[in-house]
Amino acid sequence: DAKTTQPPSMDCAEGRAANLPCNHSTISGNEYVYWYRQIHSQGPQYIIHGLKNNETNEMASLIITEDRKSSTLILPHATLRDTAVYYCIVRVDDYKLSFGAGTTVTVRA
Amino acid sequence: SAVISQKPSRDICQRGTSLTIQCQVDSQVTMMFWYRQQPGQSLTLIATANQGSEATYESGFVIDKFPISRPNLTFSTLTVSNMSPEDSSIYLCSVEHLVETQYFGPGTRLLVL
Repeated sequence: DAKTTQPPSMDCAEGRAANLPCNHSTISGNEYVYWYRQIHSQGPQYIIHGLKNNETNEMASLIITEDRKSSTLILPHATLRDTAVYYCIVRVDDYKLSFGAGTTVTVRA
Repeated sequence: SAVISQKPSRDICQRGTSLTIQCQVDSQVTMMFWYRQQPGQSLTLIATANQGSEATYESGFVIDKFPISRPNLTFSTLTVSNMSPEDSSIYLCSVEHLVETQYFGPGTRLLVL
């Protein structure tokens, strides 16, 4: 499985966009990029996923570079409730999700 | 998205005993998964449970310690057997729902004394 690299932590201001980077330089052509988040002690929450194209839903946008070696999750208007650990995961066809340490995002008022 | 419930939500158990955790989903799903999250750690996959077949365990996890049942397309159980304090964790089930999307239950918080 391709491994991902994320910064261990980041702060962002409430109401501003939060841009969360992820490196996955060994990703293969059939591997998807997934983002989940885990708010303290709750089950992980699915955010978004993509293969090649940029994706947007009601929660976030996912920007994948053309070479697919990195991606950015964008929370357009961060709120205090977005404080969580965010996981970037590369998934192969076997459906398994391999969670790394993630990025602890703290949204400050 | 699928709605997933787990029972119990939390428990405190004595070492040497066993606990069975239930996972119920509101729609039929083929693939279900069990994860463990030890204190301060990320999630680790224990096993994949598909209906009609034996569960497939990840390296470091064995059926004798974590027996799994999958009697139908909406339900699964994970048993933590002969517990020790090292088994204190959050146990989570997840389901592959719709195409390419996996959803998680709220978790079961287990403390072993």
